Amino acid sequence: GAVVSQHPSRVICKSGTSVKIECRSLDFQATTMFWYRQFPKQSLMLMATSNEGSKATYEQGVEKDKFLINHASLTLSTLTVTSAHPEDSSFYICSARDHGRRGEQYFGPGTRLTVT
Amino acid sequence: AQSVTQLDSQVPVFEEAPVELRCNYSSSVSVYLFWYVQYPNQGLQLLLKYLSGSTLVKGINGFEAEFNKSQTSFHLRKPSVHISDTAEYFCAVLGDKLIFGTGTRLQVFP
Repeated sequence: GAVVSQHPSRVICKSGTSVKIECRSLDFQATTMFWYRQFPKQSLMLMATSNEGSKATYEQGVEKDKFLINHASLTLSTLTVTSAHPEDSSFYICSARDHGRRGEQYFGPGTRLTVT
Repeated sequence: AQSVTQLDSQVPVFEEAPVELRCNYSSSVSVYLFWYVQYPNQGLQLLLKYLSGSTLVKGINGFEAEFNKSQTSFHLRKPSVHISDTAEYFCAVLGDKLIFGTGTRLQVFP
C-alpha cells in the first residue's frame, strides 16, 4: 500500500522557537496533502489543505502566519510551527491523497510536538 | 456539507465477544465512507472503505461494516475481538475533505 512518512516523530522545543515537520509520500505523487492536529483523546481536526505549487487553504480558526505550510513538490509538504508556545503542543498528522487510487488518503505516523 | 456521528465514546468488551461500533453520517453528495484505527501514538490505518457497490464491506483484521443508506449508518463489526484490537476507531466521510467522527475507544478485556 501507499506509504506516507513524517519526520521527526517526536520533537521537543523551547517556547518562542520554530519547528518544521516534513511529510513525504514515498511511492506515489500527492498533489494534495492535508495537515491535522489531534489533542489527547480527541479526534483529528483538519488544519489546512495544501496543493502542490499553490498556497495552502486553512480551516477557520487556524492561524496561517503561525502554521506555515509549503508543498513545493509532489512528494513533500512541510508544516512549520512558528514562535511555538506550550499550547501548540499536540500530535500533528499529515495525510496525502493519491489521485491514482480513487482519491484515497493515506496517513503519516504523526509527530508529537512538545513545547516547553 | 458532511458530518459524522459516533454514538459511543467508549466500548468495553471481553475478548472473543462480538462488537459493533456505531457510526451515522450525513451528506448531501455521493457518500464515501471509511473506518480507521489508531493505536497509541501512531497515525491512522485504514480498516475498510465504502465507495460503491456491495453494502457489506470487509476490511483488515476481521472487521466488516455495512452501509445502510436508509438509516444513514455505517456500523463497524467484528464477530470475535482480540486483545490487540484495543485502540481508537474513527469513522470518516469524504466530501471535498475527509471529516472524522469523534472516535470510539474499544477496550478489550481478557
